[in-house]
Amino acid sequence: KAGVTQTPRYLIKTRGQQVTLSCSPISGHRSVSWYQQTPGQGLQFLFEYFSETQRNKGNFPGRFSGRQFSNSRSEMNVSTLELGDSALYLCASSSLAGYTDTQYFGPGTRLTVL
Amino acid sequence: QQQVKQSPQSLIVQKGGISIINCAYENTAFDYFPWYQQFPGKGPALLIAIRPDVSEKKEGRFTISFNKSAKQFSLHIMDSQPGDSATYFCAASASTGTASKLTFGTGTRLQVTL
Repeated sequence: KAGVTQTPRYLIKTRGQQVTLSCSPISGHRSVSWYQQTPGQGLQFLFEYFSETQRNKGNFPGRFSGRQFSNSRSEMNVSTLELGDSALYLCASSSLAGYTDTQYFGPGTRLTVL
Repeated sequence: QQQVKQSPQSLIVQKGGISIINCAYENTAFDYFPWYQQFPGKGPALLIAIRPDVSEKKEGRFTISFNKSAKQFSLHIMDSQPGDSATYFCAASASTGTASKLTFGTGTRLQVTL
């Protein structure tokens, strides 16, 4: 079974631009979570989607948004990019609904904001 | 508010030695405690996980010890190998019935020397 895939793997943007990152979960997984990883703040939860609905959201500004499609694929969008948004953005998928379950991470998208 | 504290920040162990990483949590609602291993350029990969109904879980050279009353859990890597050199993250989540959100520790960079 293929793992979690994320595209693109690397992105370079400038301040003020917006960016869209994509995540394809493991086949059959309906829950997709997004995390931001930085050297200073570590791994921080952004949001989780299940059946196209956002079920949980972390403490990030409204510039960070996401969505999930009917095939469980998910996208996250960051508008008005700031230098501090430079990070590794990780997507994780899991299979069980409404229950803590193993989350499988993708390789991440490395975003650099100049 | 950091809800999962991890120590040490870095660890150097000789080949064949025991690596021990400790974590402490505050939120008594947490009931799932996974450990993830991350290599440079990769996403975190689940190593082993435990629920609070057991005090210890062993998988190969990896053991989790769990102390519910102290709200602490630790990872022991027996017979540490150079291939174990990576960053290790403890995490915790609560099965609220609606979402699976992982709260991560700050990570431990493990180096296993020859």
